[in-house]
Amino acid sequence: AQSVTQLDSQVPVFEEAPVELRCNYSSSVSVYLFWYVQYPNQGLQLLLKYLSGSTLVKGINGFEAEFNKSQTSFHLRKPSVHISDTAEYFCAVSDSGTYKYIFGTGTRLKVLA
Amino acid sequence: NAGVTQTPKFRVLKTGQSMTLLCAQDMNHEYMYWYRQDPGMGLRLIHYSVGEGTTAKGEVPDGYNVSRLKKQNFLLGLESAAPSQTSVYFCASSYYKGPQPYGYTFGSGTRLTVV
Repeated sequence: AQSVTQLDSQVPVFEEAPVELRCNYSSSVSVYLFWYVQYPNQGLQLLLKYLSGSTLVKGINGFEAEFNKSQTSFHLRKPSVHISDTAEYFCAVSDSGTYKYIFGTGTRLKVLA
Repeated sequence: NAGVTQTPKFRVLKTGQSMTLLCAQDMNHEYMYWYRQDPGMGLRLIHYSVGEGTTAKGEVPDGYNVSRLKKQNFLLGLESAAPSQTSVYFCASSYYKGPQPYGYTFGSGTRLTVV
């Protein structure tokens, strides 16, 4: 069965510094990958997705992610974070044909002033 | 365009009581899902549906039942609530273009406490 690993449960970073949130998935022939953000007491909002094509995916709020098939990774990056980026970030994977998403355990990003 | 609507938003139950959580979507999505979110465990799939009249078990189905009598609604039932079911429940819906997923949209969640 497909699985997703987010190695970092919490990532503190100073404002305007770059950040990378790591996501690895178990290998599969055809996968679709997603990053979601959850602000406190809210639902999940799609940041970006990789379905096919270019391995560098740009999303909302200045975030981007790179699909690396050989390393089975889909790490999320932002060159300069803001206080408002403080939230929990979830990586998710969908196998072709299974019609469901499997989520990682989340990474709590805390941006410090 | 409301998207995915969950009711209620909050509920407190006593152990052994039953309740139904309602999820409604107005996007004509074929697929619907129920997840639970617990600290440090991410979102875990409880049950899902690939179309009206169908349901399937996810990762953590025990203690829950679901029904999809109408395409736009997906109900999650707890027959006899237990404290271990204290959680935040999220409903989602999606559609697919061939094998590729699109439009995975979440509701705002239901916070359930079982005492």
